[in-house]
Order: sequence, then C-alpha cells, then structure tokens
Amino acid sequence: EAGVVQSPRYKIIEKKQPVAFWCNPISGHNTLYWYLQNLGQGPELLIRYENEEAVDDSQLPKDRFSAERLKGVDSTLKIQPAELGDSAVYLCASSLDRLGEQYFGPGTRLTVT
Amino acid sequence: DQQVKQNSPSLSVQEGRISILNCDYTNSMFDYFLWYKKYPAEGPTFLISISSIKDKNEDGRFTVFLNKSAKHLSLHIVPSQPGDSAVYFCAASPPYWGGGSNYKLTFGKGTLLTVNP
Repeated sequence: EAGVVQSPRYKIIEKKQPVAFWCNPISGHNTLYWYLQNLGQGPELLIRYENEEAVDDSQLPKDRFSAERLKGVDSTLKIQPAELGDSAVYLCASSLDRLGEQYFGPGTRLTVT
Repeated sequence: DQQVKQNSPSLSVQEGRISILNCDYTNSMFDYFLWYKKYPAEGPTFLISISSIKDKNEDGRFTVFLNKSAKHLSLHIVPSQPGDSAVYFCAASPPYWGGGSNYKLTFGKGTLLTVNP
C-alpha cells in the first residue's frame, strides 16, 4: 500500500515569493493534516481536514497561508508571500477518520533565503 | 508554553541494554498518549500508544508506562538495537468530545536515541 506522498521534497525560494506544497493521502483516508516542524521541535498542527471541510485551522496563519482539499483527496498548502521564518519542514499526514492512527508523509523541506 | 515536554534532547545506550525515554505533560485534559519514531528525511511513524485508563501498554520490545498523577510517561525499549536509533516524539491528545474539533496531537520536541553496537 502506498504511503502519504508529498511533493516537492525540497524547495528553496527567495523571501516574498509564493510557494505551494502538494499532498496525496493514503487511499480511503478521510482525514488529512498539515503540520509544521521547525528545527529541533516537534510537529505542530496547522490545519485538519475531514473530507473537504477544514475542521480545525486555528493554528494556520491566515494572512499568508492557505490550504485546500478539493474533492476530499489531494491537498495543497500555499504560502504567499514567504518569509524567512517560514523555513521549516511541512508534513502532511492522513488517517482513516478523525480518531485513526496518523500516517505521515516524508515532508517538504522549505528554505527561504 | 510547552504542554508536552521531553527534557532529554539525546540519549545514548549500548546494544542489548534498556533505553528509557521520558515525557512529561502539563495539560490535565490529555487522555491519550502516543510515541512516534522518526528517521532522518522521513516522516514520523507511529510506534505505540496508551489510553489514560491504563498504566502500561506493551508491544514486543516496546512498553509505554503512564503515571497520571505525576503527568509522566515513559517508553522502554528492551533490548535496544542499532536500528532503533532515531528521534522519538511523545505526543498527547485530549479526548474527542463527539462532533467537536478537539482531537489534536501536541508533540514534544523529541529525543534522539543512539544505540551503539
């Protein structure tokens, strides 16, 4: 069974540029999560989707971050414009339902210069 | 304010010995606890969990102990193997109150375990 797929794996951009990350969850998983992991820290939840609905986006900085999960499958996370402090690993995870075990993708390492 | 604390950034043990990783939490609402393992350039992988109604859960070489009164949990790995070398994250979640959006994992900063051959 294929795991959670994320792309790109690495991204280097200049500050003020836009960037987007893509996530394909495990087939059949209704719940999808985006996490931010800063260096030396644990993952922090940014947003959680149940199917197409964002049910918890309280930690998403909405002035520059946006996310969507059209058709309740793939999801994209966008930052516009990026700032130096956005340099981090962005992890996507999915689970069968809101209480299920979360399976993480390998993450996208973003470097903003 | 760190609600889940892993105070040891790193731990080094000899192969075959016991590894004990510790985790403390401050939020009394947490009632479900998990350990994740992470290798470099990979995402975290679920290892073992425990509900607050239990004080011990065992899965092969891995055992998690929960002391609710002390708000402390620990992960024991016996015997430790070189392949266990990774970063271990402790995570906690409040109960799911049916219909709300309260289910949310809070992670600690992680402990780097190195098992020496």
